[in-house]
Amino acid sequence: ETGVTQTPRHLVMGMTNKKSLKCEQHLGHNAMYWYKQSAKKPLELMFVYSLEERVENNSVPSRFSPECPNSSHLFLHLHTLQPEDSALYLCASSQVEGLAGDLAKNIQYFGAGTRLSVL
Amino acid sequence: RKEVEQDPGPFNVPEGATVAFNCTYSNSASQSFFWYRQDCRKEPKLLMSVYSSGNEDGRFTAQLNRASQYISLLIRDSKLSDSATYLCVVNQGSSASKIIFGSGTRLSIRP
Repeated sequence: ETGVTQTPRHLVMGMTNKKSLKCEQHLGHNAMYWYKQSAKKPLELMFVYSLEERVENNSVPSRFSPECPNSSHLFLHLHTLQPEDSALYLCASSQVEGLAGDLAKNIQYFGAGTRLSVL
Repeated sequence: RKEVEQDPGPFNVPEGATVAFNCTYSNSASQSFFWYRQDCRKEPKLLMSVYSSGNEDGRFTAQLNRASQYISLLIRDSKLSDSATYLCVVNQGSSASKIIFGSGTRLSIRP
């Protein structure tokens, strides 16, 4: 048990559906992340919420919309997805110390992921 | 040039062998470095952080060469359970958004 839980573990959706992925961390961390992992590609950072900062990867399409209501919960809202969006979506959390902190502590703990298939 | 580059492998070695991976990074201002391990259809998990002086954890040794901008991972006396994908991770700056993952090196240990 990593302390980061994701639901659902598997999701099949049509291109016209709207769904949401949920992530919850029980580690007291102050940063949460969404990653996309496609076959034979590196992990792609999609969104970060950290110390009041939200950072987006500009290449992420607007059909993905994150929401972070508090430091323990993170959502990824999905709408009108495409088949190429099928992938493993991983949530992670870490403790970011800030500019003066020890970066070696920015260790990411991952949830088990949601395997998404878009038909 | 990719920000973080790894040999994808696969490396297929016999049990008990010693195997080494390298990872190169492009941003000379990168500040911290990690090796993660990812088993098939599972999430990545931290294997070890990489410190400037090099560090060892049991059969695993990690080293950092800032001048040549690479990090390495050495696995001695490999076990069947070491079969996994090993991800090189580089933190390029002080922001949480500057963490870059390599595409991973697949390792397969055969009996």
